[in-house]
Amino acid sequence: QSALTQPPSASGSPGQSVTISCTGTSSDVGGYNHVSWYQQHPGKAPKLMISEVSKRPSGVPDRFSGSKSGNTASLTVSGLQAEDEADYYCSSSAGSHNFVFGTGTKVTVL
Amino acid sequence: EVQLVESGGGLVQPGGSLRLSCAASGFTFSPFWMHWVRQGPGKGLVWVSRINSDGSSTNYADSVKGRFTISRDNAKNTLYLQINSLRAEDTAVYYCTREDFWAFDIWGQGTMVTVSS
Repeated sequence: QSALTQPPSASGSPGQSVTISCTGTSSDVGGYNHVSWYQQHPGKAPKLMISEVSKRPSGVPDRFSGSKSGNTASLTVSGLQAEDEADYYCSSSAGSHNFVFGTGTKVTVL
Repeated sequence: EVQLVESGGGLVQPGGSLRLSCAASGFTFSPFWMHWVRQGPGKGLVWVSRINSDGSSTNYADSVKGRFTISRDNAKNTLYLQINSLRAEDTAVYYCTREDFWAFDIWGQGTMVTVSS
């Protein structure tokens, strides 16, 4: 049950794009299309942004998109806005409804 | 309004116990698998435990196995986490969350557990 690997930080200017990677193994990210992404502002609960690799829940802006290749998933935030500054976590099923989270990435809007 | 509300956190001495509760409202609780996730101070999210819809199947992260017990009462729309033999490293905000299509779509506000003498 090792955490998925994410870069500690990422940044971009308003209007630019930023992409966050999430690397696991064939037992989690690579084995299932069950990768999800969460946004967390300081002192707040996480918010689901992407499910099943690339599906956006209702209300999530289409600036947020997800993809996966092999054991690595990615979240791209296009057209960065000030309110996108937050921590982002990936998560993957690891079989039998067990899950593992990523190490987290702090996104800074310059 | 769909919501989850945790309670039961607090300050406890090492080796002590607590029972966390999570009250669900605004949706039909019984069909959903439910989970506990924790976040230590300044740390990332860590999956802790899950329970299936009728409570017959549970699982735990290795770090809490044998010390934590997840349960639910579908008649009361409530999820529980019994935490025993607490250690300093269990200090964290504990969130309950609903699983839907292998993602956590609803989260509570969290309840803080502090383990200290």
